[in-house]
Amino acid sequence: EAQVTQNPRYLITVTGKKLTVTCSQNMNHEYMSWYRQDPGLGLRQIYYSMNVEVTDKGDVPEGYKVSRKEKRNFPLILESPSPNQTSLYFCATKPQGFMNTEAFFGQGTRLTVV
Amino acid sequence: GQQVMQIPQYQHVQEGEDFTTYCNSSTTLSNIQWYKQRPGGHPVFLIQLVKSGEVKKQKRLTFQFGEAKKNSSLHITATQTTDVGTYFCAGPTVKAAGNKLTFGGGTRVLVKP
Repeated sequence: EAQVTQNPRYLITVTGKKLTVTCSQNMNHEYMSWYRQDPGLGLRQIYYSMNVEVTDKGDVPEGYKVSRKEKRNFPLILESPSPNQTSLYFCATKPQGFMNTEAFFGQGTRLTVV
Repeated sequence: GQQVMQIPQYQHVQEGEDFTTYCNSSTTLSNIQWYKQRPGGHPVFLIQLVKSGEVKKQKRLTFQFGEAKKNSSLHITATQTTDVGTYFCAGPTVKAAGNKLTFGGGTRVLVKP
């Protein structure tokens, strides 16, 4: 079954404590990206990756890091989380970066930073 | 940069009634996609429109792409409780490194039985 898997689904953490949200896909997609969803703002892209070892900033990259060492995994790293990073995070993939095809989303990670 | 706006932000609908949600882009789009997110769920792809003036139907849902390819609409007839959720439109922004999807703010649909 084609899947985009995020972990954890829910996380409550304290300000400044480094955390990683994982994203894994089994569809052999080249393109992976991270979005955050906030009420009234829709989905805003944080970072994206065209392929292994190729990453670039999206619209709201401040405070986040990513890596793409393997095709299937695209972790999102918050080195020093702050309360304004409290949000719902989604990982999304599609076959290739330049293809105008549908995006497949993970189940989401609800992060609360206190 | 490109902006995609949706109205209304919230839509309260009586079960059985029709409604329309609108999506407007600040730039001409090569295509537009629509997604639905059920409460507590993740966005799921509904449809993609490519041609100017294109109209596509999925059962009670009718999607339209404007002639100038800068706006789109989603019309739902005879709303049911299963239509509850947030509907997003998304347009591609062509960048040197991949086509990024720019999402609208979404229309949250609440159905009154």
